[in-house]
Amino acid sequence: TQLLEQSPQFLSIQEGENLTVYCNSSSVFSSLQWYRQEPGEGPVLLVTVVTGGEVKKLKRLTFQFGDARKDSSLHITAAQPGDTGLYLCAGLFLGKFYFGSGTKLNVKP
Amino acid sequence: ETGVTQSPTHLIKTRGQQVTLRCSSQSGHNTVSWYQQALGQGPQFIFQYYREEENGRGNFPPRFSGLQFPNYSSELNVNALELDDSALYLCASSLWDKPYEQYFGPGTRLTVT
Repeated sequence: TQLLEQSPQFLSIQEGENLTVYCNSSSVFSSLQWYRQEPGEGPVLLVTVVTGGEVKKLKRLTFQFGDARKDSSLHITAAQPGDTGLYLCAGLFLGKFYFGSGTKLNVKP
Repeated sequence: ETGVTQSPTHLIKTRGQQVTLRCSSQSGHNTVSWYQQALGQGPQFIFQYYREEENGRGNFPPRFSGLQFPNYSSELNVNALELDDSALYLCASSLWDKPYEQYFGPGTRLTVT
């Protein structure tokens, strides 16, 4: 069992559609991070959410941290082919970093 | 500002051999973490180094070991390679007081045959 569960595992949508990716845990995190990883590259940090209930926007991406700091979501508005990649949530828990298994997003033109 | 670099890019080893992977941290970063990422999975934390000492370790056996040097660069050593060690090995650097803001290198793809 993973400390951070992500859903869905795979998502294939058309350009222009909206989507939401979820990251859930039974444990409380002091912060959660979202990364995007493209094939053959390392993950790239998108955002860190720290406060329960916090909402952060990065252009067409909206990140939310749950009130209880156990879950987070990533919403993409009007997805574009350039958004294609593996989206990972991660958090520091008891001194160790944990990543979710990722959501593989494919945006078709 | 120089990003995180890793070498080599790809490596093929035989079961039972030993391997050393290298990482140069981002300029100004004093903490280095290593991760193993199997195909289709999220990265798994191996260990972290700060001030040249291991500071935190994931669920990996002792044959996974590391070093951090005074310039904050780091090595990951794996002894007695097993087939399941085939993976992408990622290095990430950060500041000690901002451990959650990690910057990753491109990784080393290790194949064990």
